[in-house]
Amino acid sequence: AQSVTQPDIHITVSEGASLELRCNYSYGATPYLFWYVQSPGQGLQLLLKYFSGDTLVQGIKGFEAEFKRSQSSFNLRKPSVHWSDAAEYFCAVGGFGGADGLTFGKGTHLIIQP
Amino acid sequence: DTGVSQDPRHKITKRGQNVTFRCDPISEHNRLYWYRQTLGQGPEFLTYFQNEAQLEKSRLLSDRFSAERPKGSFSTLEIQRTEQGDSAMYLCASSLGAIVNTEAFFGQGTRLTVV
Repeated sequence: AQSVTQPDIHITVSEGASLELRCNYSYGATPYLFWYVQSPGQGLQLLLKYFSGDTLVQGIKGFEAEFKRSQSSFNLRKPSVHWSDAAEYFCAVGGFGGADGLTFGKGTHLIIQP
Repeated sequence: DTGVSQDPRHKITKRGQNVTFRCDPISEHNRLYWYRQTLGQGPEFLTYFQNEAQLEKSRLLSDRFSAERPKGSFSTLEIQRTEQGDSAMYLCASSLGAIVNTEAFFGQGTRLTVV
């Protein structure tokens, strides 16, 4: 069965500092990987996705993620965070040939310190 | 605004009552998904539709849950004989094509509280 692990429940980062959110997945075939962000009272918004090709993918709001097959990881990074980045971040995995839905991790709550 | 719309935004119900939620997807989107999100957890897939056909149902979708998309446009999710464990945020998403192939747009959700 596919699964996603986000080992950090909460992360606190100072405004302007760099950010890395960890994501490890388990999937039997070629994974399709996603990062979503959820702000309070808002729906999920797609930040970026990886299907194939270049393992470093760029997303919206200055985020990027790197797919490392050998480590089954898809970590999210941002070089300099802004106070508006405070939110819940979810990593998800899916793929053709299986259920059409996505499997999400439990999320990482990002807190930005002034 | 032409995003995904969910109604109601909040619902408080007594245990044992039936509730129904509505989702209006983005108009040209042929796929519609329902997810459930409990506190401190990520969204969990419940079911999805391609047009009016329900193509996949999670084991989480017990026989008290039923979803419909009668004309391939809006969808309803009904929970019969609600239990306290049904308390959660119910999210709807729509996409043009498979969720792994195209971007899915999520609604703001319906928060259900069963007392």
